[in-house]
Amino acid sequence: DVKVTQSSRYLVKRTGEKVFLECVQDMDHENMFWYRQDPGLGLRLIYFSYDVKMKEKGDIPEGYSVSREKKERFSLILESASTNQTSMYLCASSLAGGSSYEQYFGPGTRLTVT
Amino acid sequence: AQKVTQAQTEISVVEKEDVTLDCVYETRDTTYYLFWYKQPPSGELVFLIRRNSFDEQNEISGRYSWNFQKSTSSFNFTITASQVVDSAVYFCALSEVGASGTYKYIFGTGTRLKVLA
Repeated sequence: DVKVTQSSRYLVKRTGEKVFLECVQDMDHENMFWYRQDPGLGLRLIYFSYDVKMKEKGDIPEGYSVSREKKERFSLILESASTNQTSMYLCASSLAGGSSYEQYFGPGTRLTVT
Repeated sequence: AQKVTQAQTEISVVEKEDVTLDCVYETRDTTYYLFWYKQPPSGELVFLIRRNSFDEQNEISGRYSWNFQKSTSSFNFTITASQVVDSAVYFCALSEVGASGTYKYIFGTGTRLKVLA
């Protein structure tokens, strides 16, 4: 079974803090993704990566950066957290092959910025 | 622009009723993929089905069935004889290669299904 794990289920940070969200997958997937999920807005893609050290902006990359130094790990960084970044963050992975493969999701990190 | 619309925000049914979740999509590509995912109360999205744009065959998996119609740009999901364990948020999603060669992944806003005992 594909396993995608996220470092924390719940996180509370203060405005202005630097925040790291970590995601690890154990199925040797090439693609990894970060989404945020907000009520009434569904899932919105922040960034994705199709290979080590490669990244592509999604629909809402502003205020976020990512890092992929190893194939199995994809980190989302909030350089200076703001209250409007309070959300559920979901990591996912999939096989290579462009957009054709299904994604496997982690359990999510609910981030609260106060 | 690419778009996925799930007009039903929330549906409540009584156990054993059939229920259909609607999904309408917009795309200019001829090659694209459609997906359904289930998000139970635990929060982790679970993949249910994938369909490519060239395969309009309907699919049945147990109590689940999917109806893909390109003519109406719809990919609807029906649960037959619903059960309480079917209570979840269901997402429809579209993926394709965008005009610049980058991949696009678009999720709908989800439909919350409540199955009452």
